[in-house]
Amino acid sequence: ETGVTQTPRHLVMGMTNKKSLKCEQHLGHNAMYWYKQSAKKPLELMFVYNFKEQTENNSVPSRFSPECPNSSHLFLHLHTLQPEDSALYLCASSQGGEGNTIYFGEGSWLTVV
Amino acid sequence: LAKTTQPISMDSYEGQEVNITCSHNNIATNDYITWYQQFPSQGPRFIIQGYKTKVTNEVASLFIPADRKSSTLSLPRVSLSDTAVYYCLVGGDTGRRALTFGSGTRLQVQP
Repeated sequence: ETGVTQTPRHLVMGMTNKKSLKCEQHLGHNAMYWYKQSAKKPLELMFVYNFKEQTENNSVPSRFSPECPNSSHLFLHLHTLQPEDSALYLCASSQGGEGNTIYFGEGSWLTVV
Repeated sequence: LAKTTQPISMDSYEGQEVNITCSHNNIATNDYITWYQQFPSQGPRFIIQGYKTKVTNEVASLFIPADRKSSTLSLPRVSLSDTAVYYCLVGGDTGRRALTFGSGTRLQVQP
């Protein structure tokens, strides 16, 4: 138990579907992140939120749409994805600014068919 | 971004001490060094963090020389369950560097 909970753990969706990944952190942190990890590749930072405000968008395609309603919750809305978007999506949080120790959730395995 | 360099892979046997070295020649004055462990299909997990000299916790030790241009993660008496990817990150309180993961070191522990 890391204090960062992601749901669902596994998701299969068609290319025309719309789905969302949810993340909740119980650590009182004020920064939250989405990472993508494809097979045998390093983790890629996608989005950064500090105090609910998006401070980083690492050139992520618009078919990925993040939402951060408060410092404890983070969503990743998915629509018209491609098969190459199949990956492990990891949510993380930290206290303070970017750079403090990052706590990850268990991840959501996404398969696009 | 401060670049870190680690060996791609390492092999060890159960009961041995494993030392993984990370090079970070461009480390800044305010940067900390943090190591994470990742098992397959899971998120990375914090192992240890340090600024200089030596840090030890119940899991590992971190050795940082005076020039701080490298660091060594030491895992005492590894077991099969230590088979994982280990990442070295460098960064301070602000900035993206401490959020940027490299390729890590894949440690394989054999019986």
